Amino acid sequence: DIQMTQSPSSLSASVGDRVTITCRASQTVNKYLNWYQHKPGKGPKLLIHSASTLHSDVPSRFSGTGFGTDFTLTISSLQPDDFAVYYCQQTQSFPLTFGGGTKVEVK
Amino acid sequence: VQLQESGPGVVKASETLSLTCTVSGDSINNYYWSWIRQPPTKGLEWIGYVHDSGDTNYNPSLKSRVTMSVDTSKNQFSLKLKSVTAADTAVYYCARYIRSGDYYIDYWGRGTLVSVSS
Repeated sequence: DIQMTQSPSSLSASVGDRVTITCRASQTVNKYLNWYQHKPGKGPKLLIHSASTLHSDVPSRFSGTGFGTDFTLTISSLQPDDFAVYYCQQTQSFPLTFGGGTKVEVK
Repeated sequence: VQLQESGPGVVKASETLSLTCTVSGDSINNYYWSWIRQPPTKGLEWIGYVHDSGDTNYNPSLKSRVTMSVDTSKNQFSLKLKSVTAADTAVYYCARYIRSGDYYIDYWGRGTLVSVSS
């Protein structure tokens, strides 16, 4: 199985801050890396697929970069609605696997 | 597209967990459908996928206990997990899995908590 490691596991930030979350794969996943936002009581929401493609209706303050084993999710200016847990996921090979999550909290 | 999980909230140990996902807003045909779970305080675990053609792919860690199927007449798909233990206590999500050049899950249900009782 491909292991996905996210860092940090949690962070505290203020509205307006630039936030960066990283995800590292134990072996190459090429471009097949997705990012999700997860809030309590809801299903995860797709933000970015294929490392850098913004999903429909996702605000442009979210962006993704990377290829191979190292990836980054950036929120350019954190908004009140962005406090949540973020997960990366690889779809390069089965079984599909997720990172452990990064909780973005209010500073 | 909306997905809604349904099924018992409590299952006895050693019995079979059965969940159904009802899809609305689009046909279930020609898509791949997945189940993912999240044990309390833990991360997300992909259980597997099913296609209306009958194609399935299960996580090897659960493969011996999992069966997924699709009912196109009801626009539903289902999960059966047999011989459950306390380790199977989790929030179970159903989701649509896109496999068409790019590969990602674009719609998720809200999830349903299933607790395994002794």
